[in-house]
Parts: sequence; C-alpha cells; structure tokens
Amino acid sequence: DTGVSQNPRHKITKRGQNVTFRCDPISEHNRLYWYRQTLGQGPEFLTYFQNEAQLEKSRLLSDRFSAERPKGSFSTLEIQRTEQGDSAMYLCASSSLASGGRETQYFGPGTRLLVL
Amino acid sequence: RKEVEQDPGPFNVPEGATVAFNCTYSNSASQSFFWYRQDCRKEPKLLMSVYSSGNEDGRFTAQLNRASQYISLLIRDSKLSDSATYLCVVRSNYQLIWGAGTKLIIKP
Repeated sequence: DTGVSQNPRHKITKRGQNVTFRCDPISEHNRLYWYRQTLGQGPEFLTYFQNEAQLEKSRLLSDRFSAERPKGSFSTLEIQRTEQGDSAMYLCASSSLASGGRETQYFGPGTRLLVL
Repeated sequence: RKEVEQDPGPFNVPEGATVAFNCTYSNSASQSFFWYRQDCRKEPKLLMSVYSSGNEDGRFTAQLNRASQYISLLIRDSKLSDSATYLCVVRSNYQLIWGAGTKLIIKP
C-alpha cells in the first residue's frame, strides 16, 4: 500500500496524559499537513511541513501541541496534558506540486482520539 | 462569516435523481477549488478538482464562478453508493479551507 498511513487508528486516553500520533506520507511527497476534524465539521488546518521545515502553525495549535518531521519523511503529532476538548479525528495529508502548480492532498485514514 | 459555506444538509433524494450542491467562499484570492467526498468515519477523498471552465467526470459536473465566488457540484442519475458527505474545499496559498460538508442520503 503506497498511500498515507497513520498510527494508531484509535486512541483512548485519560485527561492529562500525553499522546503521540504518527503519519507516514506517500514517499515522493515533500509536503505534509495535519488537520483536526470534529463531528459535523470539515477538517481544520493545524500545521504544515515542507520537507523537514514546519512552515506554518494554526492558532488552533496550542502550546500543548507539537509536531515534528525530523528527516522530511514521517511526522509525529504530540498532544501533552490532553483535555476532553482534544477528542477528535486527527488527519494527516501529503502532497507534492504537480507541473502547472497544481497540488492535490491525499489523506491518511486518521487517528481517532477519545479523551476521557 | 465562515470562509467556505455550504448548503446545510442532509439531502434526502431518491435513487436516479439529480442533486446539486452549492458552495460560496469569501477569499477572492483563492487559487484552487475542489470537491472531496467523505464516507462515515473515513478520511476525505478527492472527488474532483474544479476548473474555471467547468469540468465533468462521468455523472459529476463541477462549476466555478470566480466573480460570484461560487462553486457547484451536480450529480446526475444518483446511485445508492453516492451517499456520503460532500465537502467543498478552497485553497489559499498552502492552506486548504474546508466547508462543513453536506450529507447526501440516496434512498432506493
């Protein structure tokens, strides 16, 4: 399978615990995105990497959230001191620029987080 | 006002009907436009990009009106398998801005 993969697919944790999610993008894609989606809403942008550089972070991304992409391949998203409001689906997407400047983002299956 | 707004759903339509989704966006500098489909508890998947001249892919037709900042998606001869949430997506610089989606339910 050469698509975007995410692990774990589901995570249940207690409030106050730290969690870490992993995303493996499509191998030739240099751009990687993290989104959060809650029920009945579209995905909300969290952060974006081009290769290993984190180029932008949404103000939705509080200081409890940190993302890395150390070698420009896989990425991790860590949430420290989880809160019940962090419960959501966390989606990763990857892309590369096609000729003509067009970009299509391909999504992983997501990690569904439930904070008790 | 949300940056990308879609018709509230759900749409309940009989199999074989034609259904239209509408979407408006607020940033006139937006560069690219897409329709994604999302099945329940699954990730979004690209349905089609939307080009200025309008484009068609089988039973699906997408239109863009930059002057009105309006995007549409038409599904003809709807199938049961078309039941899903349809998300309008607008790209501004590197960011994709998503609508909340419109749920479509096709009934036999």
